[in-house]
Amino acid sequence: AQSVTQLGSHVSVSEGALVLLRCNYSSSVPPYLFWYVQYPNQGLQLLLKYTSAATLVKGINGFEAEFKKSETSFHLTKPSAHMSDAAEYFCAVSEAAGNKLTFGGGTRVLVKP
Amino acid sequence: KAGVTQTPRYLIKTRGQQVTLSCSPISGHRSVSWYQQTPGQGLQFLFEYFSETQRNKGNFPGRFSGRQFSNSRSEMNVSTLELGDSALYLCASREGGETEETQYFGPGTRLLVL
Repeated sequence: AQSVTQLGSHVSVSEGALVLLRCNYSSSVPPYLFWYVQYPNQGLQLLLKYTSAATLVKGINGFEAEFKKSETSFHLTKPSAHMSDAAEYFCAVSEAAGNKLTFGGGTRVLVKP
Repeated sequence: KAGVTQTPRYLIKTRGQQVTLSCSPISGHRSVSWYQQTPGQGLQFLFEYFSETQRNKGNFPGRFSGRQFSNSRSEMNVSTLELGDSALYLCASREGGETEETQYFGPGTRLLVL
């Protein structure tokens, strides 16, 4: 069975500092990997996705993630945090196109001025 | 295109009652999936409907059911509500083709069971 682990349920960063959110997955087959963001009282918005093309994936709002098969990781980064990045971030995996998403526990990001 | 819409946005029910939630997918999308989000269990897959047929099901009791109509709109029903059913219920749609793997989420329906 698939599983997704996000290290750190809460992360606090200063405005302008690097944002690094960690995601490790377990999957028996090459997966599809996703990062979603959830703002308060809203649904999930897709940040970026990995679908076996380039291992470095660029998404919206300056975020990017690198797929590392040997480490079974898909960490999310943003070079410079902005106050608007305060939200909860979810890593998700799917074993096949269109298959159900299995989510990590989420990481809540706090941005300090 | 308009995004995924869910109604109602907020709902309060009492234990033992039943509830029906509605989801309208993005125009042209034929697949609708439902997820439950709670602080304790996180985001969990309920089921997926494609062309009016349930194609995939998560590990939830039979009190949770759904259906999809010919216009791809979907409803989810929870019978005999329990306190633990309090959650944010998210609907996601996608085109449904074999190569389309991105799910687009609606704003959710927040259900409170008293």
